[in-house]
Amino acid sequence: QVQLQESGPGLVKASETLSLTCSVSGYLISSGYYYGWIRQPPGKGLEWIGTIYHRGTTSYNPSLKSRVTMSVDTSKNQFYLNLRSVTVADTAVYYCARDLDCGSATCPFEYWGQGSQVTVS
Amino acid sequence: IVLTQSPGTLSFSPGERATLSCRASQSVSSTSLGWYQQKPGQAPRLLIYGASSRAIGTPDRFSGSGSGTDFTLTINTLEPEDFAVYFCQHYGSSLTLTFGPGTKVDF
Repeated sequence: QVQLQESGPGLVKASETLSLTCSVSGYLISSGYYYGWIRQPPGKGLEWIGTIYHRGTTSYNPSLKSRVTMSVDTSKNQFYLNLRSVTVADTAVYYCARDLDCGSATCPFEYWGQGSQVTVS
Repeated sequence: IVLTQSPGTLSFSPGERATLSCRASQSVSSTSLGWYQQKPGQAPRLLIYGASSRAIGTPDRFSGSGSGTDFTLTINTLEPEDFAVYFCQHYGSSLTLTFGPGTKVDF
């Protein structure tokens, strides 16, 4: 069974860099699929942050692109999110996810982590 | 592409039929539209992809339809566990994704 688990600091100071790790179990990242980060501010909707392929190809939300870097380490079966110069507006639950094999170039996310609360102070 | 879901909250009783709307700011491929369910404190769960295909584990009381700019999620015979927030999502050909603001299905 595919499982994803976010980890990282729950509290980040404003102007610093938010760094999160997503550990994948039950499936080897090197075998394929796209992996993404999505966030949800308190009481609000979902915002896609970016997507990465196991070979490193990335796509970012244009509104966050200047501050986001995603990377993958297939040897650890993990992928990562770095969000620079954070403000209180970046306070949210951050989810990592893996997409579905839907037969299209881009697919929705089928497997999700439980989410990691990050507060910017 | 901007997705609009209105109204923000719909109220029903168990056993009723719910119809949720998702409208895109421009025409999108029906293969690129999905629906998620989210309950408090939980991660979203994929229900529908390709506008009308059920994800694994989605009960058949959930159905999706639509094309162009207008898409619908229908829940036949609401069960108590169906009261949640529902988000539509567009996943574009260039690895870009957009979520709608969500509709809460409430008592």
